[in-house]
Amino acid sequence: AQSVTQPDIHITVSEGASLELRCNYSYGATPYLFWYVQSPGQGLQLLLKYFSGDTLVQGIKGFEAEFKRSQSSFNLRKPSVHWSDAAEYFCAVGSGGYQKVTFGTGTKLQVIP
Amino acid sequence: DAGITQSPRHKVTETGTPVTLRCHQTENHRYMYWYRQDPGHGLRLIHYSYGVKDTDKGEVSDGYSVSRSKTEDFLLTLESATSSQTSVYFCAISSRDGRGNEQFFGPGTRLTVL
Repeated sequence: AQSVTQPDIHITVSEGASLELRCNYSYGATPYLFWYVQSPGQGLQLLLKYFSGDTLVQGIKGFEAEFKRSQSSFNLRKPSVHWSDAAEYFCAVGSGGYQKVTFGTGTKLQVIP
Repeated sequence: DAGITQSPRHKVTETGTPVTLRCHQTENHRYMYWYRQDPGHGLRLIHYSYGVKDTDKGEVSDGYSVSRSKTEDFLLTLESATSSQTSVYFCAISSRDGRGNEQFFGPGTRLTVL
């Protein structure tokens, strides 16, 4: 069965600093990988996705993620964090057949001035 | 934004009462999903649908049932609500268009069972 691990529950960074959120997945075949963001009281918004091809994926809001098959990882990065990036971030892995997606438990990002 | 609405957005009910949550989409997407979100658990799949009248269980389906009589509507029913079902419920939709299974989420329903 597929699974996702986000080892960091909370992360605090200073505004303007770089950010890396970790994600490890378990899946037998080539996975579909996603990062979603959730602002307080809101639904989830897709930041970026990886299906195949280039392992460095660009997303919205200046985020990028790199798929590393050898490490089963799909870490999210941003070179300079803005206060508006404070939110909860979810990594997810999807499979074929009925397109089910398994989510990680999330990483809550706090941005300090 | 994908056209997904959920109703009600907030509900407080008592243990033992039936509750139905509605998800409505205007995208004509084939796949629809119900998740619950709880602190420390992320999102967990309750039920999903892969077409009209075609549904299946997810990982936390006990105590829940679903129905899909039209492409645009996916109903989640708690036959007899319990306090453990207090949660935020999200509906999602997806289409298979050769680009994988990206899901679009509704705004959520906050359910409190007293």
